[in-house]
Amino acid sequence: QKEVEQNSGPLSVPEGAIASLNCTYSDRGSQSFFWYRQYSGKSPELIMFIYSNGDKEDGRFTAQLNKASQYVSLLIRDSQPSDSATYLCAVLNSGGYQKVTFGIGTKLQVIP
Amino acid sequence: DGGITQSPKYLFRKEGQNVTLSCEQNLNHDAMYWYRQDPGQGLRLIYYSQIVNDFQKGDIAEGYSVSREKKESFPLTVTSAQKNPTAFYLCASTRGPGSTEAFFGQGTRLTVV
Repeated sequence: QKEVEQNSGPLSVPEGAIASLNCTYSDRGSQSFFWYRQYSGKSPELIMFIYSNGDKEDGRFTAQLNKASQYVSLLIRDSQPSDSATYLCAVLNSGGYQKVTFGIGTKLQVIP
Repeated sequence: DGGITQSPKYLFRKEGQNVTLSCEQNLNHDAMYWYRQDPGQGLRLIYYSQIVNDFQKGDIAEGYSVSREKKESFPLTVTSAQKNPTAFYLCASTRGPGSTEAFFGQGTRLTVV
């Protein structure tokens, strides 16, 4: 089992719709969870992080965390073509020697 | 401005040669990481370091070496033992335990010719 799992996509949504990106993780003691956006050929950029169960909203983005189910998601409301990118889920582990582990990334395509 | 600087942005290497990728940060972060990205593979951890003079192997350390002689610097050497080194390499840093964010450099694209 991979430490962080994501569906590679592509996930296609029409402009203005809600895009839902999902991620599961295996380390039950993981502390913090991140969503990064990566445009082709560019470095990842942080969109949101969350470390408490529940929802966290920032503009059109909402991160949702359910530690009991070991599940984290990212919702993008009113999707725009400029949101088309690969979205990486990352998890900060709970071990004494801390490391960040990434999922494979989900490619999102927003269709005008 | 604080950040992470990777150099060079593009690098070409002949087969059988070692090459070193630079990563410098002025964020006063304790932890630094090297990742490799291949198409469809996401970011895979090569090596990471929590403190000076200490580092740990990640998931794909074979064919790579690192050093951490200074807090600000975490160079990655791609040796001739790495069978498929052509990839995009990313360096990252975090403050350390309790961190909530990782910062990334702009990456180095290595091509073996």
